[in-house]
Amino acid sequence: SQKIEQNSEALNIQEGKTATLTCNYTNYSPAYLQWYRQDPGRGPVFLLLIRENEKEKRKERLKVTFDTTLKQSLFHITASQPADSATYLCAPMNTGFQKLVFGTGTRLLVSP
Amino acid sequence: NAGVMQNPRHLVRRRGQEARLRCSPMKGHSHVYWYRQLPEEGLKFMVYLQKENIIDESGMPKERFSAEFPKEGPSILRIQQVVRGDSAAYFCASSPGSTGSDQPQHFGDGTRLSIL
Repeated sequence: SQKIEQNSEALNIQEGKTATLTCNYTNYSPAYLQWYRQDPGRGPVFLLLIRENEKEKRKERLKVTFDTTLKQSLFHITASQPADSATYLCAPMNTGFQKLVFGTGTRLLVSP
Repeated sequence: NAGVMQNPRHLVRRRGQEARLRCSPMKGHSHVYWYRQLPEEGLKFMVYLQKENIIDESGMPKERFSAEFPKEGPSILRIQQVVRGDSAAYFCASSPGSTGSDQPQHFGDGTRLSIL
């Protein structure tokens, strides 16, 4: 069956460091993958989308990689700030499928 | 603010009552999705609708749950005869849906349903 795995343990890092979050998937051949951020009591907010033919995508302090051989996406936040503390969700998607299937999310805590 | 609007934000019902959750998509969006987040669990897809049509309801429980997106007005998620296990946060999302399936979805802040 299809499975999406994200670090289940919270990731604690210090302000200014780079945070790296992992998304592994099995029994998927996603055409693209989306990353969302969710704060407590709020809905997810879209951050980045990366396609299968793109190795890397950047947006300000965010960087996403997509390795279809390893079946893995990495999400990096450079120069992290306490305001980056949130839960980050990945959603690999097959072409033609509209619904999002999320991983369980990784909670990131950035300490000052 | 032209974001996805959900109401009510909090809804309390007693077992056996009906719950109606409303979602107004972003302006110009014709595709609506409903997701459920149970306590300590991830977001799970429930149903995908376009105006007046249910496109994918593979995540909807077979009984008591229904959804609609009429030509005019908000999308409604309806839960009949609620049970304690229906307590969860229900999120609605919308997308333009016009240029392919890789559109990001824009989420509302959810309705938190509590069953007494």
